[in-house]
Amino acid sequence: NAGVTQTPKFQVLKTGQSMTLQCAQDMNHNSMYWYRQDPGMGLRLIYYSASEGTTDKGEVPNGYNVSRLNKREFSLRLESAAPSQTSVYFCASSPPGLAGGPKEQYFGPGTRLTVT
Amino acid sequence: AQSVTQPDIHITVSEGASLELRCNYSYGATPYLFWYVQSPGQGLQLLLKYFSGDTLVQGIKGFEAEFKRSQSSFNLRKPSVHWSDAAEYFCAVGALANFGNEKLTFGTGTRLTIIP
Repeated sequence: NAGVTQTPKFQVLKTGQSMTLQCAQDMNHNSMYWYRQDPGMGLRLIYYSASEGTTDKGEVPNGYNVSRLNKREFSLRLESAAPSQTSVYFCASSPPGLAGGPKEQYFGPGTRLTVT
Repeated sequence: AQSVTQPDIHITVSEGASLELRCNYSYGATPYLFWYVQSPGQGLQLLLKYFSGDTLVQGIKGFEAEFKRSQSSFNLRKPSVHWSDAAEYFCAVGALANFGNEKLTFGTGTRLTIIP
């Protein structure tokens, strides 16, 4: 199993450009997540998806859109990139696990995005 | 809403010495608690988790953590650190979100430096 994979690993954009970050998992997990990591701020949730066909906003959704293409894939789109979106982006997934209660999340290696 | 505080931004420990990383949480119900480790340039890896039962939990790489409800704490410990333990450590609390999904709230992290 590859676990959670993300592409690309690195990306440099100019202000106003758009791009899509790709994420896929091969663990048959229902839930998937997108986080951004900034120095001194830990990880902040952008969007999450409880299952195929559903998405919901997290803590910092402004400027982003997501698509849960199927059970395996969850993409994050920046329609018009801004310097404030310079960050490291992580995708994660989690299994159904026990009834009720959060489950551990499995993380991808991250995408380092710079917006100039 | 839940929150996590990691009061120590940076800790330096000598190789072979003991380690304790602090984590305090705020959550109205029984918390689900996690510790993750992030090596430089890598994604996050789960060290251990607490859902219920024994308040002292064992994890990978020789780490353990103790849940203390009265202190709202979930501190991470290791009796003797190795140079390879140098990394950033994140505490997280889980809670039910919309649609019965779950999401994690992360602390801002503690960077651990090991000196010879």
